[in-house]
Amino acid sequence: GNSVTQMEGPVTLSEEAFLTINCTYTATGYPSLFWYVQYPGEGLQLLLKATKADDKGSNKGFEATYRKETTSFHLEKGSVQVSDSAVYFCALRYSSGGYNKLIFGAGTRLAVHP
Amino acid sequence: GAVVSQHPSWVICKSGTSVKIECRSLDFQATTMFWYRQFPKQSLMLMATSNEGSKATYEQGVEKDKFLINHASLTLSTLTVTSAHPEDSSFYICSARYGANYGYTFGSGTRLTVV
Repeated sequence: GNSVTQMEGPVTLSEEAFLTINCTYTATGYPSLFWYVQYPGEGLQLLLKATKADDKGSNKGFEATYRKETTSFHLEKGSVQVSDSAVYFCALRYSSGGYNKLIFGAGTRLAVHP
Repeated sequence: GAVVSQHPSWVICKSGTSVKIECRSLDFQATTMFWYRQFPKQSLMLMATSNEGSKATYEQGVEKDKFLINHASLTLSTLTVTSAHPEDSSFYICSARYGANYGYTFGSGTRLTVV
C-alpha cells in the first residue's frame, strides 16, 4: 500500500539555523510528492512538489529532491526565519477509483525562535 | 485564486445531535472535493471523495450513514456528522481540486468537540 512517514516534531530552531525534515514513502508505481505547510489558523498550502525521480522542488528558500533509490523527499532550508514556524506535511499523490488522491504524513511542527 | 472557505472553524455539540460543516469554493468551480479527518498528532486521513451531483465515494472503514456528504453545486460541499458521539471529536478538513494540473486547495478546518 501507500504510506508516508515523516519525522516527529516538534522541531525547535533558532533563526538562521539549517532545517531538515525527513520524509520517506512507500508506494506502488511512481507517485508525485508534495510538501504542504499549515500556518496557525489557516488551511494547508502547497509549498513545493516533484513529479518524478531526481526532480527538485523549491519555493521560498525550501527545497526537496525526489530520491527514488531511498524513497525519500526530505525538506531542507538553509536559514529559517521566525515566520517559517508552522506545521509541515509530506504527501504523495496516488490514483484510486478513478481519482487522484493525497496521502499525508503525520505532520512536523516547526518552531523558530529569534 | 483557488480559495476554499470552510465553516464553522470550531463547533461544540451535545452527544446525539447532528452537525453540518460547509466547504465553499470562492473563486472557482470545484467538481471534486475531498473530506479529511485529523486526530491529534496524526496525519490527515481521507474520509471521502465527492463529485458534484453524484454520491460520495467513501474510504474503507468510514461510515456512510454517520458522515453524510452532499455536493449539490459546483461551489458547495457539506459534511454532516449525524448522531455525534465524543469519539467523533476531531479536526475535519475539506479540499478541492482545481486547475488543469489538478492542484489541491484546502479549507482552514473545523474543530468538532462532542460533549
